Amino acid sequence: AQSVTQPDIHITVSEGASLELRCNYSYGATPYLFWYVQSPGQGLQLLLKYFSGDTLVQGIKGFEAEFKRSQSSFNLRKPSVHWSDAAEYFCAVGGIGGFKTIFGAGTRLFVKA
Amino acid sequence: GAVVSQHPSRVICKSGTSVKIECRSLDFQATTMFWYRQFPKQSLMLMATSNEGSKATYEQGVEKDKFLINHASLTLSTLTVTSAHPEDSSFYICSASGEGEAEAFFGQGTRLTVV
Repeated sequence: AQSVTQPDIHITVSEGASLELRCNYSYGATPYLFWYVQSPGQGLQLLLKYFSGDTLVQGIKGFEAEFKRSQSSFNLRKPSVHWSDAAEYFCAVGGIGGFKTIFGAGTRLFVKA
Repeated sequence: GAVVSQHPSRVICKSGTSVKIECRSLDFQATTMFWYRQFPKQSLMLMATSNEGSKATYEQGVEKDKFLINHASLTLSTLTVTSAHPEDSSFYICSASGEGEAEAFFGQGTRLTVV
């Protein structure tokens, strides 16, 4: 069965510091991987996605993620965090043909001044 | 990316009444639509998957008689919460994908409050 694990429930980083959010997945076929961000009371915003090709993908707002098949991981990174990045981050895995997208539990990011 | 519109964004209803939430794909044909539920400070839990013209497939533990899903056209799916109770209060989000597509596009969600 497919699943997504985000081991960190919450993370606190200082503004300007680097960030890495972890994500591990379990999927029986070629995974399609996503990172979404959600601000309180808001919908989801897609940060980036990986379907195939270059395993380092660039997204919006300065985020990037690296797909590592051998580790079943898709960690999200940002070199310098801004206070506006404070939000909930969800890693998700899906498949082609309208196969359902499954979400991890989420990681809440706090940014301190 | 493709646009999915969800309506209403917020709704308050009385206990015992029914409420309908619409999910529309505005610029593509959505062969498959998904409905999720999100409790405060929790992740999105898939409720059901619907394919146009077919009955929805519900996830384990989701009451199909309570959460009626209709996907009558390639651009519209509706979720009706029947005989709503306060415990049904939640954030409901739909997503839609086209045939052969790997990505599903999400609506902005509906905040349902049952009083």
